[in-house]
Amino acid sequence: DGGITQSPKYLFRKEGQNVTLSCEQNLNHDAMYWYRQDPGQGLRLIYYSQIVNDFQKGDIAEGYSVSREKKESFPLTVTSAQKNPTAFYLCASTQEGRVIKGELFFGEGSRLTVL
Amino acid sequence: DAKTTQPPSMDCAEGRAANLPCNHSTISGNEYVYWYRQIHSQGPQYIIHGLKNNETNEMASLIITEDRKSSTLILPHATLRDTAVYYCIVRVNAGKSTFGDGTTLTVKP
Repeated sequence: DGGITQSPKYLFRKEGQNVTLSCEQNLNHDAMYWYRQDPGQGLRLIYYSQIVNDFQKGDIAEGYSVSREKKESFPLTVTSAQKNPTAFYLCASTQEGRVIKGELFFGEGSRLTVL
Repeated sequence: DAKTTQPPSMDCAEGRAANLPCNHSTISGNEYVYWYRQIHSQGPQYIIHGLKNNETNEMASLIITEDRKSSTLILPHATLRDTAVYYCIVRVNAGKSTFGDGTTLTVKP
C-alpha cells in the first residue's frame, strides 16, 4: 500500500544525545514536511523540502537538521541544541505541480521523550 | 503564506450540523483553503479544499466567502466519531504549509 512510514513510533533519549527520526514515502511525492506537536497545541513547521537536495527552514528550525538525498526519504535529526525536544513529530508529503487535490498525507508520528 | 484564525473550541449535538469557521483575511489569489482533522495522537487527515467556489464531498461541505477572507466547514450530520481537532490552512500547492492551533470540536450525545 502507498503511504508514509515514520519510525520509530516511540523513542527515548538522554539529554545531550542526537537522535534521527525516519520518514519514508512511496507515493512518489516531490514535497515533504516535518512538524512538531506539543500537548494541546497545533502543528508547527520545522523544515520542508520541495525537491531532492533542497530544503527550507520552517517556523521552528533551530536545533533540528534534515537531509533530502532521495525523493522518498526525509530524515529529521533532533540535535542536542534543541532545548525542549520532547514532543510528537509528524512527517507529511504532497505532490508538486498541478494536481487534483494536492493534499498533505501524514505519517502516524514519532513520539520522542527526553529523559 | 497567510495565517488563519479559528475558535479554540466548539460543541455540537449529535445528528446536527457542525459549522466550523475560519478567518484567512490575508489570503492571496493563488492560495487554496484546506481543512484537516486530527483525532488524538494520529496524523491529520484531509477533509476538503477549495479555491473560491463552494465544494462538497462525502465528508463535508466547504463554503468560501466571495472575498475569500473566510470559510466555513460544514459537517452535515455530526456523529460522536467527528470529535476531533479541525485545522484550516491556506497554501499554495506543495509550498510552505503552516497549521494553527485548530478548533477542538466536541460532538455530544
